[in-house]
Amino acid sequence: EIVLTQSPGTLSLSPGDRATLSCRASQSVDSRQLVWYQQKPGQAPRLLISGASTRATGIPDRFSGSGSGTDFTLTINRLEPEDFAVYFCQQYGGSPPYTFGQGTKLEIK
Amino acid sequence: QVQLVQSGAEVKKPGASVKVSCKASGYTFTTYYMHWVRQAPGQGLEWMGFINLSADTTGYTQKLQGRLSMTRDTSTSTIYMELSSLISEDTAVYYCVREEGGVAVPKQRFDYWGQGTPVTVSS
Repeated sequence: EIVLTQSPGTLSLSPGDRATLSCRASQSVDSRQLVWYQQKPGQAPRLLISGASTRATGIPDRFSGSGSGTDFTLTINRLEPEDFAVYFCQQYGGSPPYTFGQGTKLEIK
Repeated sequence: QVQLVQSGAEVKKPGASVKVSCKASGYTFTTYYMHWVRQAPGQGLEWMGFINLSADTTGYTQKLQGRLSMTRDTSTSTIYMELSSLISEDTAVYYCVREEGGVAVPKQRFDYWGQGTPVTVSS
């Protein structure tokens, strides 16, 4: 099983700040199969970024993804109030084929 | 627009079974893979398995083999997830999710999610 470890567990920032979220894999992941989701309280997750760096339809350009191999990063520039949520990374490959990170909670400082 | 509407919350006793439904609309039902993902309270997400709605084939995580069953009803564009021999660790919100791209070009990511069905296992 490919284990995804996200850090930090909680990130406290203010609107207008930049957020940097990490997702580290226990073994190399094809970057085409690395995905990020956003989940707000009481809601289902929403697809943010696929292929490590491609924004999904309707996602603002302040969200960006990068990385390869075992280290991936989600960056959110100029945080807006609606960006405070939990973010999960997900990969495809191995057994089970889909695994998720445990999530990073982005909270207002 | 694509919608996935799930059945309501369930409370079950240990050892019982639960069956959750997910009605799809807004797209051609049989041209996609559908998956089930669960989220235990305060925890991350766990992939459970998939159903190929075109071929009516399934694949489940080894952890749940023998207890999990996914089925479809093409006449109502509904998929079902049944989990048997429930234990307290099965307490979670269960999501049906659509895999982006369709069975022809699966993308291994999830573009639409149901609203979630809370399942509580308690004596």
